[in-house]
Amino acid sequence: GAVVSQHPSWVICKSGTSVKIECRSLDFQATTMFWYRQFPKQSLMLMATSNEGSKATYEQGVEKDKFLINHASLTLSTLTVTSAHPEDSSFYICSARDRVGGEQYFGPGTRLTVT
Amino acid sequence: RKEVEQDPGPFNVPEGATVAFNCTYSNSASQSFFWYRQDCRKEPKLLMSVYSSGNEDGRFTAQLNRASQYISLLIRDSKLSDSATYLCAVNSKSNKLTFGGGTRVLVKP
Repeated sequence: GAVVSQHPSWVICKSGTSVKIECRSLDFQATTMFWYRQFPKQSLMLMATSNEGSKATYEQGVEKDKFLINHASLTLSTLTVTSAHPEDSSFYICSARDRVGGEQYFGPGTRLTVT
Repeated sequence: RKEVEQDPGPFNVPEGATVAFNCTYSNSASQSFFWYRQDCRKEPKLLMSVYSSGNEDGRFTAQLNRASQYISLLIRDSKLSDSATYLCAVNSKSNKLTFGGGTRVLVKP
């Protein structure tokens, strides 16, 4: 089956710093990648949708200047959490899709803790 | 009203028993439906898609009721390893998946 990787799997950073999370599709070309956030005991909330070579589309309430998304190639998307604060601590999960309407494959997630 | 709603549970299920739970969605234009399984502190993994006529995969049966706007998941002969959170996901016209809050299932010996 299709494999999506994320790096790092967990990260602890200090308040005010920036953190970059990578999402890679390993054996297929992802035309679209999605970034989700999940707080404890809550469901996945879509943050943004990114298509290769174009600007990401952010969901309502998600600050695009704080969560920078770059989808530079068909196999890589990055999410940068800028000026992180403790309330940004969460589980960030990406998913990738090879075609419209196709199945989404999830990465293993990145657990971010901001101290 | 949330777009996709689930009973959070937990559903405590004796090993070997059958458990079923639903997921309701508010957008009548929703086009495709899925059940995902999520283990603690892990990513969701696709369990099965839900087809209009209903479908079965081993011990798991999924149903779609468009008139009442819900999907269901039934697990037969529950195993201890079935303990997890089950997330339903609905794909809208905008081609984005919206997830329910998840139903927690605990299978006990």
